[in-house]
Amino acid sequence: NAGVTQTPKFQVLKTGQSMTLQCAQDMNHEYMSWYRQDPGMGLRLIHYSVGAGITDQGEVPNGYNVSRSTTEDFPLRLLSAAPSQTSVYFCASRSTSDPRHEQFFGPGTRLTVL
Amino acid sequence: AQSVTQLDSQVPVFEEAPVELRCNYSSSVSVYLFWYVQYPNQGLQLLLKYLSGSTLVKGINGFEAEFNKSQTSFHLRKPSVHISDTAEYFCAVSDSAASGGSYIPTFGRGTSLIVHP
Repeated sequence: NAGVTQTPKFQVLKTGQSMTLQCAQDMNHEYMSWYRQDPGMGLRLIHYSVGAGITDQGEVPNGYNVSRSTTEDFPLRLLSAAPSQTSVYFCASRSTSDPRHEQFFGPGTRLTVL
Repeated sequence: AQSVTQLDSQVPVFEEAPVELRCNYSSSVSVYLFWYVQYPNQGLQLLLKYLSGSTLVKGINGFEAEFNKSQTSFHLRKPSVHISDTAEYFCAVSDSAASGGSYIPTFGRGTSLIVHP
């Protein structure tokens, strides 16, 4: 199993550009989520999904869109990048919505918006 | 609503010394508690978790944590640290009642453990 994979590892964007951060998992996990990590702020939830076709907003959803057309993939779209979106982005998955189960994290995408 | 407070943003310690990383939580219901570790330039991985039963939980790499319900704490400890333990440590809490959005874990802001030779 590759686990949770994320591409790209690094990205530099100009203000106003759009892009998609890719996330895939091969563990047949129902629950997937996107976090951003900023210094001193810990992890903040952007969007999450409890299964294909079902998504919902987290704590900081503005400026981001998601979709879940398959169990495996959960891409995160930045509609019009802003410098405030400079961050490290992590995708995570969990076998079910059951909160007793641990989350598995990808290696992260480091995004810089100029 | 649940929240997590990690009381120290940074903990410097010398190699082979003991360490304690503090975590306090607040929640109106019973909780599940987790500690994750993030090594430099990597994603997070699970160190240990408390679901129920014994309040002392043992994890990987010699770490352990104790759940204290009366003090709403879940402090992480290791009796003797190594240079390789240098990392960011995150405490997380999930409500045990899986309804609505309550299965979403809340993370603390992290504690940076710096082990000096």
